[in-house]
Amino acid sequence: DIQMTQSPSAMSASVGDRVTITCRASQGITNSLAWFQQKPGRVPKRLIYTASSLQSGVPSRFSGSASGTEFTLTISSLQPEDFATYSCLQYYSYPFTFGQGTRLEIK
Amino acid sequence: EVQLVESGGGLVQPGGSLRLSCAASGFTFSDPYMDWVRQGPGKGLEWIARIRNKAHSFTTEYAASVKGRFTISRDDSKNSLYLQMNSLKTEDTAVYYCVRQLGGSGDGEFWGQGTLVTVSS
Repeated sequence: DIQMTQSPSAMSASVGDRVTITCRASQGITNSLAWFQQKPGRVPKRLIYTASSLQSGVPSRFSGSASGTEFTLTISSLQPEDFATYSCLQYYSYPFTFGQGTRLEIK
Repeated sequence: EVQLVESGGGLVQPGGSLRLSCAASGFTFSDPYMDWVRQGPGKGLEWIARIRNKAHSFTTEYAASVKGRFTISRDDSKNSLYLQMNSLKTEDTAVYYCVRQLGGSGDGEFWGQGTLVTVSS
């Protein structure tokens, strides 16, 4: 199975900050990676797919990038509504696997 | 409007069975692969099962945690996806989401609102 190691597990930041969250795959997954945002009690919302494609309707302050087996989600300028939990997903091979999540809190 | 509506969740004793359903509307249900994803209380997301479409012989994939206990199926004539869950364990307690083609490009992926399954004595 492919392990997705996500870091950090939690972080605090301020409105306006630039934030990066990373997922490292235990083996190559090409660009078969997505990023999700989830707020308590809500359905996960996909932000990014194929590592860097922005989901329709998602603000452009969200972006994704890849370098080998390391994938990064960047929020260029945090907004109040961005405080949530973020998770990555590899869908390159079965079983599909999620990272353990990053809880982003207000500083 | 695309909709996926899960039902069938509830309280069940360890060792028991439950069948979840997902009613689809707003798209051609027979086309995409379909998935189940779950999330335990305070835990991360876990993909558990996929079923392909008729063109790919309705073949299935499972996570090791549920393989042999859970069965995913679909009835394209009823626009419905199912998850038969047997030999339930307390660790199966979770919200179960029906997902249209997890990992699909563009607007291909879509999530239902989820249904809660609680396994407890």
